Amino acid sequence: AQTVTQSQPEMSVQEAETVTLSCTYDTSENNYYLFWYKQPPSRQMILVIRQEAYKQQNATENRFSVNFQKAAKSFSLKISDSQLGDTAMYFCAFMKHNGANSKLTFGKGITLSVRP
Amino acid sequence: DAGVTQSPTHLIKTRGQQVTLRCSPKSGHDTVSWYQQALGQGPQFIFQYYEEEERQRGNFPDRFSGHQFPNYSSELNVNALLLGDSALYLCASSLFTGNTIYFGEGSWLTVV
Repeated sequence: AQTVTQSQPEMSVQEAETVTLSCTYDTSENNYYLFWYKQPPSRQMILVIRQEAYKQQNATENRFSVNFQKAAKSFSLKISDSQLGDTAMYFCAFMKHNGANSKLTFGKGITLSVRP
Repeated sequence: DAGVTQSPTHLIKTRGQQVTLRCSPKSGHDTVSWYQQALGQGPQFIFQYYEEEERQRGNFPDRFSGHQFPNYSSELNVNALLLGDSALYLCASSLFTGNTIYFGEGSWLTVV
């Protein structure tokens, strides 16, 4: 079974600054996907970024980038130029890659507050 | 292009009652999964439907059941409601062979 750990329950960052959210995971699988989802107060889960484990290059999406360390089983999210709209809960999630759609295993999440 | 739609958005039920939640997947998607998110927690996988069959199931009792229709929409049924079933229920859609999962806005269930 897979586990995802987000050990920081809350973080705060000043608007326009950079913040890094941590995530570690445990799995015996070799092929898998990792995700960061954002959940604002509206509660809709929004995909932020996806990383395929077989790709060494870290994924980037505009102001969002990841630091994927496969050997260390670490998957952190960096948010650059933080904006007030980034205030939300952020969840790290894992999915096996077995040729068919699999389930997501989520961490407990981290609450990010962006201060004006 | 409509995203994942869920109904109802909020509902209140009494212990022991039964509830049905509905989900329409994103256009073009054929797989629907359901997740339960308790307050302050990450979502927990309930089950997944593809080709009108339950394909995977998480650690949830048989009180939780589902259905997928030929148009790919899905229902989640919970019988004999307990106070602990109070949560946000999220529907997720994807392609069965895909690796990107999209979520609806959820259905808030309160059991009193």
